[in-house]
Amino acid sequence: AQKITQTQPGMFVQEKEAVTLDCTYDTSDPSYGLFWYKQPSSGEMIFLIYQGSYDQQNATEGRYSLNFQKARKSANLVISASQLGDSAMYFCAMREEPGNQFYFGTGTSLTVIP
Amino acid sequence: GAVVSQHPSWVICKSGTSVKIECRSLDFQATTMFWYRQFPKQSLMLMATSNEGSKATYEQGVEKDKFLINHASLTLSTLTVTSAHPEDSSFYICSATIAYGANVLTFGAGSRLTVL
Repeated sequence: AQKITQTQPGMFVQEKEAVTLDCTYDTSDPSYGLFWYKQPSSGEMIFLIYQGSYDQQNATEGRYSLNFQKARKSANLVISASQLGDSAMYFCAMREEPGNQFYFGTGTSLTVIP
Repeated sequence: GAVVSQHPSWVICKSGTSVKIECRSLDFQATTMFWYRQFPKQSLMLMATSNEGSKATYEQGVEKDKFLINHASLTLSTLTVTSAHPEDSSFYICSATIAYGANVLTFGAGSRLTVL
């Protein structure tokens, strides 16, 4: 079974609007970490946000927030007030703890429309 | 913050030649480095996990003799694509963690290999 599932190959959002990128995960480990990365067309992977499985509150980093629903095993990324520079591929990832391997989803291509 | 430098960014080579890609952690010691391959519009595929001073652990289906990985120091890992062929053309990206189980995976900027 896929460890990380991203069901939205592509998404469009109007500039200044909010957008939610979906991510579901599969693990039987009680301890794990969830990550979101942004990959612009230049190729580098940029870390956005992290959520630990034991964290009580949803993680937030500026305009990024992670909607963590543990029972549903979902970790959706919410980008508020979208900007043109947000257009990129977004990857959800998980690391089971203890462990060193990261599992990546297939990614969602986000296009921000002016 | 942690920075990983990857070089070269672009490389074009003839079929049959070997290409070396370097991955350096600039301001931290990376006990573990990971090498990924990414095809256009696809996700990252883990090729191997490289631990300093020991042999790399390759994922199933990745040819050890074709993709040579060396992690000679805590700040440098290299990937050598030996006897490259056009099907090896891809985007290769390295990443590193400071210590086992560290939260964040820091990536290099990637290397785009084109084999003619």
